[in-house]
Amino acid sequence: DVQLLQSGGGLVQPGGSLRLSCDVSGFTFRLFAMSWVRQAPGKRLEWVSSISKDGLTTFYADSVKGRLTISRDNSKNTLYLQLDTLRVEDTALYYCAKLEEDGHWGQGSLVTVSS
Amino acid sequence: DIQMTQSPSSLSASVGDRVTITCQASQHINKNLIWYQQKPGKAPKLLVYDASILETGVPARFVGRGSGTDFSLTINNLQPEDIATYYCQQCQSLPPAFGQGTKLEIK
Repeated sequence: DVQLLQSGGGLVQPGGSLRLSCDVSGFTFRLFAMSWVRQAPGKRLEWVSSISKDGLTTFYADSVKGRLTISRDNSKNTLYLQLDTLRVEDTALYYCAKLEEDGHWGQGSLVTVSS
Repeated sequence: DIQMTQSPSSLSASVGDRVTITCQASQHINKNLIWYQQKPGKAPKLLVYDASILETGVPARFVGRGSGTDFSLTINNLQPEDIATYYCQQCQSLPPAFGQGTKLEIK
């Protein structure tokens, strides 16, 4: 079975940092691009960032460019999202996801930015 | 980047009805389209991939159609458990893009 197990998240003050992790099993991780998607309370899904299968190419939504960094370790089957200079409007449930071919999602990590 | 336009944004129907949600891509995406169902507090659930292939375990009343730029998801014989928000997503190229979502309610 495909599993994406997320860790990280929590409460942070504006301007703070967090790192999210996503441990993947059940498919050949190194063969697929991976993504992060967030959802603010009561809002629609918002794509945040993607990374190519080899990790050499990254994509970011304009709203997070320069503040969030996606990375991956294919030897560990793990996807990461470093969140820096966080803003109140970054408060959301963050999902890691395989969005190629078919869609598989992690359980979500809650990030709350508040003073 | 490819943009996805989904409609309607909300839909109210009765148990037993047939409902259809549409999704249009800003450029040709072959059959590289996924449909998800999301219930409150849960991660999106895969319903259909490759535009028309039903994920294992998804009831056959869900039917995905389309290719190129125009796609649809039809739910036949609507059931109370189908109350959810539905999203389309293109997987033709990076970055992925989602439709705006369709919130389905039961009358």
